[in-house]
Amino acid sequence: EAGVTQFPSHSVIEKGQTVTLRCDPISGHDNLYWYRRVMGKEIKFLLHFVKESKQDESGMPNNRFLAERTGGTYSTLKVQPAELEDSGVYFCASSWTGLTGELFFGEGSRLTVL
Amino acid sequence: KQEVTQIPAALSVPEGENLVLNCSFTDSAIYNLQWFRQDPGKGLTSLLLIQSSQREQTSGRLNASLDKSSGRSTLYIAASQPGDSATYLCAVRGNYQLIWGAGTKLIIKP
Repeated sequence: EAGVTQFPSHSVIEKGQTVTLRCDPISGHDNLYWYRRVMGKEIKFLLHFVKESKQDESGMPNNRFLAERTGGTYSTLKVQPAELEDSGVYFCASSWTGLTGELFFGEGSRLTVL
Repeated sequence: KQEVTQIPAALSVPEGENLVLNCSFTDSAIYNLQWFRQDPGKGLTSLLLIQSSQREQTSGRLNASLDKSSGRSTLYIAASQPGDSATYLCAVRGNYQLIWGAGTKLIIKP
């Protein structure tokens, strides 16, 4: 069974450009999460989908970030326009329904904004 | 507000030693606690998941304990090997979000 996959693994863009990160969760997992680790800081929650609905987006830093989950399958996270402080590693995770399930993480997408 | 602390921030030990990594959290109202491993430039690998009703979980040479009332968890690694070198992170779940510690960077010297 395939795990959580993320694309691209690394993206280098200039300030002001747009980047879209994609996450394919484990098949059948209703819960999908985005997390981010900025250099030198702890991993922080960004948002949570249950199927196609945003359950909690309290961690999204500002309106330059837009997340979608079309049809309750894969998810995209768009940053537009990117700023220097957006650099970091963006992790996606998925889990079965409920609060007690194990989270499975992807390899992460490293974003470098120059 | 939940806060998670991991001590030590870094640890270097000779191969073969048994070691303990510590994780503490401020709010005991959690659903579970998960230990992860991250290798440089790689993703997060789940090691052990302890539900709030459990006291410990074991997988191979790894044993994780949970004392919810005191807000503590430990990850015990037996007979350490150079391949255990990585950053170890703990994360607690009070709702749908995971709250993370900063990690312990472990180096096992051959």
